[in-house]
Amino acid sequence: DTEVTQTPKHLVMGMTNKKSLKCEQHMGHRAMYWYKQKAKKPPELMFVYSYEKLSINESVPSRFSPECPNSSLLNLHLHALQPEDSALYLCASSSIPLAYEQYFGPGTRLTVT
Amino acid sequence: GNSVTQMEGPVTLSEEAFLTINCTYTATGYPSLFWYVQYPGEGLQLLLKATKADDKGSNKGFEATYRKETTSFHLEKGSVQVSDSAVYFCALTGGSNYKLTFGKGTLLTVNP
Repeated sequence: DTEVTQTPKHLVMGMTNKKSLKCEQHMGHRAMYWYKQKAKKPPELMFVYSYEKLSINESVPSRFSPECPNSSLLNLHLHALQPEDSALYLCASSSIPLAYEQYFGPGTRLTVT
Repeated sequence: GNSVTQMEGPVTLSEEAFLTINCTYTATGYPSLFWYVQYPGEGLQLLLKATKADDKGSNKGFEATYRKETTSFHLEKGSVQVSDSAVYFCALTGGSNYKLTFGKGTLLTVNP
């Protein structure tokens, strides 16, 4: 089973709201990733968790706050977002950090109003 | 650093036509190469991969061969279907930077 699940599928939030995106994998992978994808562009890496510790933060604004409660779960907490943060947020996992292949979830389509 | 260049789209084909999407890369050492596919409204799916020179990745009728001498990993399919309509991303990891580096993506539309 190479499935990564993400909830919710769609999210609309105001600029003063606080919301969270969730990601789950049961493949025993030890690395998990958050990507942001704007329309007609490739995904852009935001964060990498390696063995449940944050190992890479690609200079992402602090209004995005990742969390890895355990090896299967990854959250992205959102607060005070801007309209330009509207995008598809993709979670991915791989067996070891930055290893050969990453498996992606279906994404959360976020709209900030 | 690593980079991936893939042919600009969009590509429009008729059903049962032959597909080639060109991909070339720049990387030091021996990167691993991938093709990902993104269907409308969905996340990315790993389509195929190759981890060393001369490897051929294949899946669902798609093929790509890792050519180190030409630093290429072109995607091919002998007979496309309407259901193959999607965006295709060439990507690599390894070399000087183990982060996944994507090309810009190629939109493929297959008409019946």
